[in-house]
Amino acid sequence: EDQVTQSPEALRLQEGESSSLNCSYTVSGLRGLFWYRQDPGKGPEFLFTLYSAGEEKEKERLKATLTKKESFLHITAPKPEDSATYLCAGPFAMEYGNKLVFGAGTILRVKS
Amino acid sequence: EPEVTQTPSHQVTQMGQEVILRCVPISNHLYFYWYRQILGQKVEFLVSFYNNEISEKSEIFDDQFSVERPDGSNFTLKIRSTKLEDSAMYFCASSGGQGETQYFGPGTRLLVL
Repeated sequence: EDQVTQSPEALRLQEGESSSLNCSYTVSGLRGLFWYRQDPGKGPEFLFTLYSAGEEKEKERLKATLTKKESFLHITAPKPEDSATYLCAGPFAMEYGNKLVFGAGTILRVKS
Repeated sequence: EPEVTQTPSHQVTQMGQEVILRCVPISNHLYFYWYRQILGQKVEFLVSFYNNEISEKSEIFDDQFSVERPDGSNFTLKIRSTKLEDSAMYFCASSGGQGETQYFGPGTRLLVL
């Protein structure tokens, strides 16, 4: 069964306290991995796509990395506005398009 | 910046009624998707649509559901006879190519009473 597992479920950080979120996956036919941010009551907002092991992408205080079995989202010196749920998703290849298999997410709270 | 839009943002309906959720994908995209998220649960795939036909559907997407692209810009999800368990956030997404990033709309919150 295709699985995407995220840890921890929730994370509380002080402003400026760096940390990492984990996403592990067992998705057959996996073609890369996506990270999204979701604010309460909103749709997933795209952050990063990673296609191959060893790849890294950065955006402001966020850096995503990918290995053969897992991905990490590193948050450096977070601010309260980084508070959100962070979702990872494995694209399961279909004949046309990709079906995204989502993890349950990590709820991040950053306190000032 | 191009974005996916969805209407309505909220919909309240009685059990057994039909609802149509509307989406305008990003204009040059070719692949269209519907996902849903029941409160407190994962985002889950419903259906994908390419070249004016369904390319893949999940077990959730039974005969009560249908999708349509009635013109060059809109993409709709119809639920023929709503059930209580259909209450969820419904997200439309689109992508430009086979393995490309899927961009999501803001969602429609459906409440079935």
